[in-house]
Amino acid sequence: SQQGEEDPQALSIQEGENATMNCSYKTSINNLQWYRQNSGRGLVHLILIRSNEREKHSGRLRVTLDTSKKSSSLLITASRAADTASYFCATGLTNDYKLSFGAGTTVTVRA
Amino acid sequence: EAQVTQNPRYLITVTGKKLTVTCSQNMNHEYMSWYRQDPGLGLRQIYYSMNVEVTDKGDVPEGYKVSRKEKRNFPLILESPSPNQTSLYFCASSSSNYGYTFGSGTRLTVV
Repeated sequence: SQQGEEDPQALSIQEGENATMNCSYKTSINNLQWYRQNSGRGLVHLILIRSNEREKHSGRLRVTLDTSKKSSSLLITASRAADTASYFCATGLTNDYKLSFGAGTTVTVRA
Repeated sequence: EAQVTQNPRYLITVTGKKLTVTCSQNMNHEYMSWYRQDPGLGLRQIYYSMNVEVTDKGDVPEGYKVSRKEKRNFPLILESPSPNQTSLYFCASSSSNYGYTFGSGTRLTVV
């Protein structure tokens, strides 16, 4: 079943601007992950944040996790045209590797 | 190069004709999984496997079979494909809660 819900469904920004998308989920989690998908291609793992962590950085990516609100956000700073893609959050409920994906946020970066 | 390889990339078939989509990973991962992706629905899990000879149903297993006879291979079998199984299919693998590695996808059309 779909656990995470991304918001907004679509986002269009100018190159150089920041892009923020959110993910809300329903039940307690072990970890939350973000993935990127270029049109019709396989998903690429971006970052994993565990339930006992509040913030993580990877290059131009910043992920926050608020377990009290059951929500996470992904911030892409100084966006580039190559960041145009769909972004998915996925929640891991236990340590058994199973992930549930949301429907994704489509990000378009305009040159 | 560490990767998950799916074949074929594209497949058009007729209703009722059995088919197999292969998936192989070269990372010695214990966990493997199949997802289907449909517009507006995100990724839905079909089957997963925790290790050799251990498989379990995901959220949408009807009409599919899998097997895990070797650690590296996890084929998806459609015994009698129907048009509602037209979709984009992804295989993924993982060794722990460090994120999935996805294959490039198989676009299946059943007419």
